Amino acid sequence: DAMVIQNPRYQVTQFGKPVTLSCSQTLNHNVMYWYQQKSSQAPKLLFHYYDKDFNNEADTPDNFQSRRPNTSFCFLDIRSPGLGDAAMYLCATSDVDRDYEQYFGPGTRLTVT
Amino acid sequence: GESVGLHLPTLSVQEGDNSIINCAYSNSASDYFIWYKQESGKGPQFIIDIRSNMDKRQGQRVTVLLNKTVKHLSLQIAATQPGDSAVYFCAETHNDYKLSFGAGTTVTVRA
Repeated sequence: DAMVIQNPRYQVTQFGKPVTLSCSQTLNHNVMYWYQQKSSQAPKLLFHYYDKDFNNEADTPDNFQSRRPNTSFCFLDIRSPGLGDAAMYLCATSDVDRDYEQYFGPGTRLTVT
Repeated sequence: GESVGLHLPTLSVQEGDNSIINCAYSNSASDYFIWYKQESGKGPQFIIDIRSNMDKRQGQRVTVLLNKTVKHLSLQIAATQPGDSAVYFCAETHNDYKLSFGAGTTVTVRA
């Protein structure tokens, strides 16, 4: 019954080697978010899609990109991962026509070697 | 800048006691607040929410209190259990679908 699914749960990549994380949802929500979270800190919003409209946070590095090919799927691409990009990456969704609650996936733990 | 924050980064509670987790916010226009629970290695899980037209809302073993005068939010957990051990985040928004998260409080339940 998983509603927000993230794959893989654990990802190991090499320094500078591009990596893609994926998120899918069965909720048909119009907004999808990507967060970065380090060491029990608060989740930090990287960007979000409102339907097909991409919204980047001002302090999100250019190294991070995203794609949303359809309502159900959203991808996070890290073009050249650095050691500082090792973190938990969380995907979330919301139906903003109804309320502002965000539904989170289980996260992908990214390790950079 | 405007932000949401928590008073204490850690809270140790005896099993069976009540827990109170506090959160202060600075945006007086905030009108929607959420508490999330995050267990180790998992994504945040919704606990309870409250709108600014209310000052109290109750769920199963949890109560959220909102004091708009002093811009303070609290989460009360009754009869704390070992499964309540987690990091708790408050979040707020003002008519916006982007949430502002507080720093988090780590709750540890002692047997």
